[in-house]
Amino acid sequence: KNQVEQSPQSLIILEGKNCTLQCNYTVSPFSNLRWYKQDTGRGPVSLTIMTFSENTKSNGRYTATLDADTKQSSLHITASQLSDSASYICVVSAQSGGYNKLIFGAGTRLAVHP
Amino acid sequence: SQTIHQWPATLVQPVGSPLSLECTVEGTSNPNLYWYRQAAGRGLQLLFYSVGIGQISSEVPQNLSASRPQDRQFILSSKKLLLSDSGFYLCAWSVSQSWWPDTQYFGPGTRLTVL
Repeated sequence: KNQVEQSPQSLIILEGKNCTLQCNYTVSPFSNLRWYKQDTGRGPVSLTIMTFSENTKSNGRYTATLDADTKQSSLHITASQLSDSASYICVVSAQSGGYNKLIFGAGTRLAVHP
Repeated sequence: SQTIHQWPATLVQPVGSPLSLECTVEGTSNPNLYWYRQAAGRGLQLLFYSVGIGQISSEVPQNLSASRPQDRQFILSSKKLLLSDSGFYLCAWSVSQSWWPDTQYFGPGTRLTVL
């Protein structure tokens, strides 16, 4: 069964601190993995996308890593800001019937406090 | 640039009433269109996707239906709402004929509460 599990479920950090969010998946056949940021009451916005051959990708203060062997990914946020408060969703894409089917994790809810 | 619209933003409906949520995309042609539902504390669940006018694929059996009467218009409907239909409904689009990688762009969502 294709699944994406994220941890922790929620996280509170102080402004300026770093944090790392985890994503474990059991998806086959794997196509790509992406991280989305979803502000409360809004649609998700793509942060990074990685294919099988990519180990790391950065987008400003966000750095995503992918270990395709252990089927794990992480999202590292550096020097957090209040605007980083949001849900971060790990999404793994599996090839299915000619199109990429997306399997969504439940997300990690991050709160950055001043 | 491409934009995606959804309306209404919020909706409160009684059980047994009909539903119609609309999604439109601007700035692109022949997009792939998707309807998702997000329950509180849960991941997004794909409900329907469409690769063209009149072409609808359903991912899970449910009380909902979808239609695509125009190239850039996607409608989510129900004849009789259930309490379990409550949730946050998101419409998304992606570039067609581009399965690798097919980044999906999400609309602002509709918060549906069924009482």
